[in-house]
Order: sequence, then C-alpha cells, then structure tokens
Amino acid sequence: AQTVTQSQPEMSVQEAETVTLSCTYDTSESDYYLFWYKQPPSRQMILVIRQEAYKQQNATENRFSVNFQKAAKSFSLKISDSQLGDAAMYFCAYKGRGAQKLVFGQGTRLTINP
Amino acid sequence: DAGVIQSPRHEVTEMGQEVTLRCKPISGHDYLFWYRQTMMRGLELLIYFNNNVPIDDSGMPEDRFSAKMPNASFSTLKIQPSEPRDSAVYFCASSFRGPRQFFGPGTRLTVL
Repeated sequence: AQTVTQSQPEMSVQEAETVTLSCTYDTSESDYYLFWYKQPPSRQMILVIRQEAYKQQNATENRFSVNFQKAAKSFSLKISDSQLGDAAMYFCAYKGRGAQKLVFGQGTRLTINP
Repeated sequence: DAGVIQSPRHEVTEMGQEVTLRCKPISGHDYLFWYRQTMMRGLELLIYFNNNVPIDDSGMPEDRFSAKMPNASFSTLKIQPSEPRDSAVYFCASSFRGPRQFFGPGTRLTVL
C-alpha cells in the first residue's frame, strides 16, 4: 500500500521569505500523480499544485513550485515571497494513475510571521 | 459552476442518533468520493462511486456507516447509530476523467 509522510508537523516563515515543505512517499508503481493541497481555517481543500510522475520537469504555479525527485520518492513544495494568506495546513497527496483514491500525508501547519 | 455542495456545514447530535450528510457533485462529474478527516487518522477515503455505482467501500469503518448515490447529482452518507468517535470533518469530492478531485467545503460533525 502506498504511504505519504510529511515529517514537519509545523513550520513558520517570515513574510516575504521562502519556505520549503517536505514530503516523501512510498510506492511500487511507476506512474502516478502527486499533489499539494492547502487547507485554510475555512476547511476548504484547495489544490495548490500537481505533478505527473512521468514528467521530469518540476511543476510551477506562480509563487509555488515543487522539487520532484522520483528516485528518492521525494516531493517538496517551495513557497516564494510568503504572504499572510499562505498560512494554512498543507497536505501532500498521492494517486496512482490507475487508481481513484487519494492518499494523504498528515499535514504541515504553516505559520507566516508578519 | 457552484462547485461541490455539502450540507449541513455543521451538525451536532447526540450519541445514538441517526446522522445524514448530503453532497451534490459538480454537474457532469462521474466520480464521487467521501473522505473523513480526524486528528488521529488524518484524511482517509471512506467510499467512492463511479456513475452512481459504489466501487470501493473498503474505507467505511463499520456497518453503522452507509452511503448511497441515487442519481448523478446527489449522494448521502448516513451514520446510524452515531457515536462520539464519529466526530470528524466529512468531505465530499468529485472528479471527471482526470486526476484532480474537487472538494466540497466539508461537514463538521460533533457527536456528544
């Protein structure tokens, strides 16, 4: 069974600085998707960024980028120019290409200090 | 599009009572998922449907939980009888021919 591990329960960063959230996963599959979801206090699960395992290029969405290391099974999220609105729980998630189930990590609570 | 709609947003009930959570997926989506979020277990899939048919209910914790999807625009998750350990946030999500799942706002259930 696939597992996703987020080893940082909490992180904090100064506003305008850069922060990196870590995620590792375990799978025997070669084709899959990886996601980062943001959950603010409103509880809404918001997709931040997505990576297809077959793509070597790291995904980027504005201030958000990932470092995907397939051999190491590592998928970290970098947030540049942190803003107060980035404060939230961040979840890393895995989905096999042929599966429908999302497997989530335990989450990292990100605090932005003004 | 209105997105995935869940009701109620909050539910407080007493142990032993029946609870029904409701979900309206995004129009045209053919997959519907129910997830539960707790502090102890995080986010976990309970059950999912494809074209209104339950495909995998291996995450349903026990027989007290049941889910139905009578048509493409409506699903329910029922807990009968409810117990304090069922207190959690329950999310509904939907998708259409792609890896991305669109989540509803969730229902926070408190069982006293």
